[in-house]
Amino acid sequence: KNEVEQSPQNLTAQEGEFITINCSYSVGISALHWLQQHPGGGIVSLFMLSSGKKKHGRLIATINIQEKHSSLHITASHPRDSAVYICAVTSGGGADGLTFGKGTHLIIQP
Amino acid sequence: SQTIHQWPATLVQPVGSPLSLECTVEGTSNPNLYWYRQAAGRGLQLLFYSVGIGQISSEVPQNLSASRPQDRQFILSSKKLLLSDSGFYLCAWSVGSRVYEQYFGPGTRLTVT
Repeated sequence: KNEVEQSPQNLTAQEGEFITINCSYSVGISALHWLQQHPGGGIVSLFMLSSGKKKHGRLIATINIQEKHSSLHITASHPRDSAVYICAVTSGGGADGLTFGKGTHLIIQP
Repeated sequence: SQTIHQWPATLVQPVGSPLSLECTVEGTSNPNLYWYRQAAGRGLQLLFYSVGIGQISSEVPQNLSASRPQDRQFILSSKKLLLSDSGFYLCAWSVGSRVYEQYFGPGTRLTVT
């Protein structure tokens, strides 16, 4: 069973700061997912990646398969980025469910 | 476009009562369907997944069960709720046998009293 660890658990930063959230996993994976959960509970998929780097707006996700590590970066952070960011992995085929980290609670102060 | 519905949005039930949560997906065929739970102070956990009608895989032994009576309908049930069943229940879908993104429903917040 894959163990997914995220750090930090909580992060408070000032608006405009560069944010990094880290994720490591214990067993080889098919893909890694970064998810965003807002206070109401709804979850949005930000990225799914199996190698390299992806960018969407101010968000950047990278993964190092050899080191079993991924990072999510937020540039020019804004209070609306405040949310819980969750790392999840798929270890098997496409139909397999996700294994989740415990999440990083991010607060961006104006 | 594809959409996923869950109901009810919130539910308060006494211990020992039955449960039925429903999830439906529109705009796609033969989706893979998932039930996840997020207990208070804990991370998300996969409960069940289904790759087709009548095909259910259980990840965590518990007093919950799942059924898929139609291609785009997924139901989570319990005969007798426990206090520990309280949490936020999310349904999700994906398509295909390769690895694809999963799309989450709005969730049901269940409080067992």
